[in-house]
Amino acid sequence: GAVVSQHPSWVICKSGTSVKIECRSLDFQATTMFWYRQFPKQSLMLMATSNEGSKATYEQGVEKDKFLINHASLTLSTLTVTSAHPEDSSFYICSVWTGVTNEQFFGPGTRLTVL
Amino acid sequence: AQTVTQSQPEMSVQEAETVTLSCTYDTSESDYYLFWYKQPPSRQMILVIRQEAYKQQNATENRFSVNFQKAAKSFSLKISDSQLGDAAMYFCAYWQGSNYKLTFGKGTLLTVNP
Repeated sequence: GAVVSQHPSWVICKSGTSVKIECRSLDFQATTMFWYRQFPKQSLMLMATSNEGSKATYEQGVEKDKFLINHASLTLSTLTVTSAHPEDSSFYICSVWTGVTNEQFFGPGTRLTVL
Repeated sequence: AQTVTQSQPEMSVQEAETVTLSCTYDTSESDYYLFWYKQPPSRQMILVIRQEAYKQQNATENRFSVNFQKAAKSFSLKISDSQLGDAAMYFCAYWQGSNYKLTFGKGTLLTVNP
């Protein structure tokens, strides 16, 4: 499998500021990564598919100008929440698709709290 | 569009007993994969078991096994000899190769009573 890390694990920010979350594939060169959002006691909702060297593909209803995704290398994808508001407070999870067994390997998640 | 339905929001089981979590899905595809993921309180998603649709044999992983009924589009998870560490949210997920996306069910919260 793939080992995936996320940084930070928890971030608190003021309303109107921007926050960057990093997702790293530590032992696998990932051409495709995924970003999910999970509200308390709910399921994972796919936000976007991150492709190395190209633009991310966003799911319907996800504002691409608000949630900026950059997949500049095979081991790093970043999600930037711009002009964050309290309703953006959530748990953000990234995953790596290896293409070998069609499994996704998940990072530990990042809890974002916007005050 | 594919959908995954978990009809049991919550389940409980006594330690050492067996519990079955239900999952149904809707698809027009013939080749796909199904997964059960576990999310403990740490919120780290952990793969429990996977099933390839083309395989008739049900997948097993130690105390975890599935009952895959392709015609009925059913994919239940059986946990035998339940342990306290099995307490978690369990998500059923569907994957099909056309878009590489996982479609998750809403989850079942499993409580294990000592």
